Amino acid sequence: QVQLQESGPGLVKPSQTLSLTCTVSGGSISSGSYYWSWIRQPAGKGLEWIGRIYTSGSTNYNPSLKSRVTISVDTSKNQFSLKLSSVTAADTAVYYCARVRSGRYIDYWGQGTLVTVSS
Amino acid sequence: QSALTQPASVSGSPGQSITISCTGTSSDVGGYNFVSWYQQHPGKAPKLMIYDVSNRPSGVSNRFSGSKSGNTASLTISGLQAEDEADYYCSSYTSSSTLVFGGGTKLTVL
Repeated sequence: QVQLQESGPGLVKPSQTLSLTCTVSGGSISSGSYYWSWIRQPAGKGLEWIGRIYTSGSTNYNPSLKSRVTISVDTSKNQFSLKLSSVTAADTAVYYCARVRSGRYIDYWGQGTLVTVSS
Repeated sequence: QSALTQPASVSGSPGQSITISCTGTSSDVGGYNFVSWYQQHPGKAPKLMIYDVSNRPSGVSNRFSGSKSGNTASLTISGLQAEDEADYYCSSYTSSSTLVFGGGTKLTVL
């Protein structure tokens, strides 16, 4: 059974960079036709897809966030990471990491981690 | 990319059927049979209910079904049960090799 777990600071100051890591267990991040993705959800609002990465390092990002987002993968640690720069209060949300099967649907989600942007 | 359009809320009585629509464009919903649906209970991570328009993952009740016509996909829940009360989100693969979600629909079981 694949499990994903987000980790990182729960509080980030405005204008700084938000950094989160997702650790994958129960399977190799390099196996199969899987992409690895980040999604966020502000309190009381809907889901927003941030971006995805394949283990080759190929990435795709939400155009509205593309200028501020970097997703990377470390296959030796079975982890992938999110960096979101120049954050504002609007970036406060629960951030989920997830496995995307065949690049088109999410079959496993992490439990989510709340990141608050505040001074 | 613009979010897919879903009704903000739907409701139904136990035992009834409801349908949630998800409208996109020819660049996402209409262009690919890659629509998925997720159920989210408060404080929980979303759960995959339907993938590739109409396929159910193992373990998902056959009361859940999906379909698509043109740029609009639909999720139907038959034999409504109290435990179905949740938020539902559609998602589609897009021509830009991204994913896009709908705004979400709150299902209330009366």
